[in-house]
Amino acid sequence: DTGVSQDPRHKITKRGQNVTFRCDPISEHNRLYWYRQTLGQGPEFLTYFQNEAQLEKSRLLSDRFSAERPKGSFSTLEIQRTEQGDSAMYLCASSPTLAYEQYFGPGTRLTVT
Amino acid sequence: LAKTTQPISMDSYEGQEVNITCSHNNIATNDYITWYQQFPSQGPRFIIQGYKTKVTNEVASLFIPADRKSSTLSLPRVSLSDTAVYYCLVGDSPTGANNLFFGTGTRLTVIP
Repeated sequence: DTGVSQDPRHKITKRGQNVTFRCDPISEHNRLYWYRQTLGQGPEFLTYFQNEAQLEKSRLLSDRFSAERPKGSFSTLEIQRTEQGDSAMYLCASSPTLAYEQYFGPGTRLTVT
Repeated sequence: LAKTTQPISMDSYEGQEVNITCSHNNIATNDYITWYQQFPSQGPRFIIQGYKTKVTNEVASLFIPADRKSSTLSLPRVSLSDTAVYYCLVGDSPTGANNLFFGTGTRLTVIP
């Protein structure tokens, strides 16, 4: 399977704990995006990388959120001191440079208790 | 940032053609119109994209009038497997990912 993969698929954590999600994009794609989606809403943009450079961040990305893409391959999204409001589906997508079409992964569903 | 307005939900019988219209009154000159499909517990999937007039692929057609203030996604002869949420997006995504706004989408239910 050469699609976008995300790990884990589900994560349950207690409030105040740190969590880290991983995204493996399609290998030849330079661009990588993170989104958050809550029930009944469309995905909300969080941040985007061009290779290893983080080029844009949404205002939704508070100081507790950090994303990295070392070596321009896989990416991690870390949430520190999780809050119940962080419960959502976290989606990763990738695309070639200068392409409109984004390929989404299956998402990581986070539940903060 | 050009936001979009779509119907919240639509129902259709199997075999019918479904047209979902999206309003984007503030669309900019550089903006393209893109539609995605999302099934429950899956990430969105690209369906079609256009700038003006009509675009057709193996899945759908996209109609865009001359003023580009709206667009219509047309799904021919829908089946039960087309039940999903459909999102209309407007933005110049190759130059700025922050311009992509999914909104709440249109929940299409195909009835047997």
